[in-house]
Amino acid sequence: GAVVSQHPSRVICKSGTSVKIECRSLDFQATTMFWYRQFPKQSLMLMATSNEGSKATYEQGVEKDKFLINHASLTLSTLTVTSAHPEDSSFYICSASRGGLRFGANVLTFGAGSRLTVL
Amino acid sequence: QKEVEQDPGPLSVPEGAIVSLNCTYSNSAFQYFMWYRQYSRKGPELLMYTYSSGNKEDGRFTAQVDKSSKYISLFIRDSQPSDSATYLCAIAKDSNYQLIWGAGTKLIIKP
Repeated sequence: GAVVSQHPSRVICKSGTSVKIECRSLDFQATTMFWYRQFPKQSLMLMATSNEGSKATYEQGVEKDKFLINHASLTLSTLTVTSAHPEDSSFYICSASRGGLRFGANVLTFGAGSRLTVL
Repeated sequence: QKEVEQDPGPLSVPEGAIVSLNCTYSNSAFQYFMWYRQYSRKGPELLMYTYSSGNKEDGRFTAQVDKSSKYISLFIRDSQPSDSATYLCAIAKDSNYQLIWGAGTKLIIKP
């Protein structure tokens, strides 16, 4: 089955530093990857959609200069939280798809998530 | 009004019980309906995927869509402690992956 690997699973950093989170599709080529943020006991909030080789599309209210997304290849997307602050502490999850939302397909495969704590 | 409403629970039931999890939605244009299971500190995993209306069964899990009532359900038969997790419904209008997520219901199966 489709597997998405996300690293690191947990990261603690000091305020003002930048943190990079990687999302890799291990056994398929992901034309589109998605980045979500999840607060405790809340649902997933889509931050941005990235397509390989093009700029990411950010959701309203998400600062693109703070959350830098790069989708350099069909198997790798990265999210960099720049100049992180305590309010950026959250659970970040990526997901990947091969293509369109096809009936019967495993439409989205999620990574295990990355818990960011900014001190 | 939220586009998708889901009771966050927690819902606690004894092992072996039938579990019913539900979501309601507001826009009749939604066509794709999904249920994801999320264990603590993990990413969601797809359980069931239904297009348009009707029922779909997979082992102990049954997904049901009632478009006339804008109501979707996930039933779990013979519930097990390993089913304890948060269950999220997600819906979409079309194939562009703009999923609308429910808040997730935390399910606890007591041995």
